[in-house]
Amino acid sequence: DAGVIQSPRHEVTEMGQEVTLRCKPISGHNSLFWYRQTMMRGLELLIYFNNNVPIDDSGMPEDRFSAKMPNASFSTLKIQPSEPRDSAVYFCASSPQFGDTEAFFGQGTRLTVV
Amino acid sequence: DQQVKQNSPSLSVQEGRISILNCDYTNSMFDYFLWYKKYPAEGPTFLISISSIKDKNEDGRFTVFLNKSAKHLSLHIVPSQPGDSAVYFCAANTGNQFYFGTGTSLTVIP
Repeated sequence: DAGVIQSPRHEVTEMGQEVTLRCKPISGHNSLFWYRQTMMRGLELLIYFNNNVPIDDSGMPEDRFSAKMPNASFSTLKIQPSEPRDSAVYFCASSPQFGDTEAFFGQGTRLTVV
Repeated sequence: DQQVKQNSPSLSVQEGRISILNCDYTNSMFDYFLWYKKYPAEGPTFLISISSIKDKNEDGRFTVFLNKSAKHLSLHIVPSQPGDSAVYFCAANTGNQFYFGTGTSLTVIP
């Protein structure tokens, strides 16, 4: 199994531009999570899906952030417009069942907004 | 509000000695606790976990202790090895959500 796949691995963009991060969860996993890692706050949960349905997006920092999961094998996290304070590493994770006690992480996307 | 806290951002230990990483939490509803290990430029990987109904779980060199009355858990690594140098995240789970600490960077000195 290839694990959770995220793309791109690195993204550098100018302030005001739209950024789209992509995630392919492990096949057969029903839950998908988007996290953001910063030095100050560590790993923060942004949003999670179960069976492609968003369950809790209370961690999404602002309306500039949106996430979709059009099918079981693909999710996107979009930032529009991007700002320098959005610079962080964004992780996607998946788990087999809703409420499972372990999540499998992708390698992350390092976003730099200049 | 941080429901899971790791108050030591870094820790250095000599090879062969014990490493103790600490974690505190505030929510008594957490029913599962996990430790993740993260190398630079990689995603966190699961290391060890413990259910809230236990107070100790051991896996090789890694042991996690849970003190529910103090809302405290710790990860012991014995003996520490240079390959253990990484950032360790404590996490707590309640049903659907994981809450992470900010991480402790462990350096094992050869």
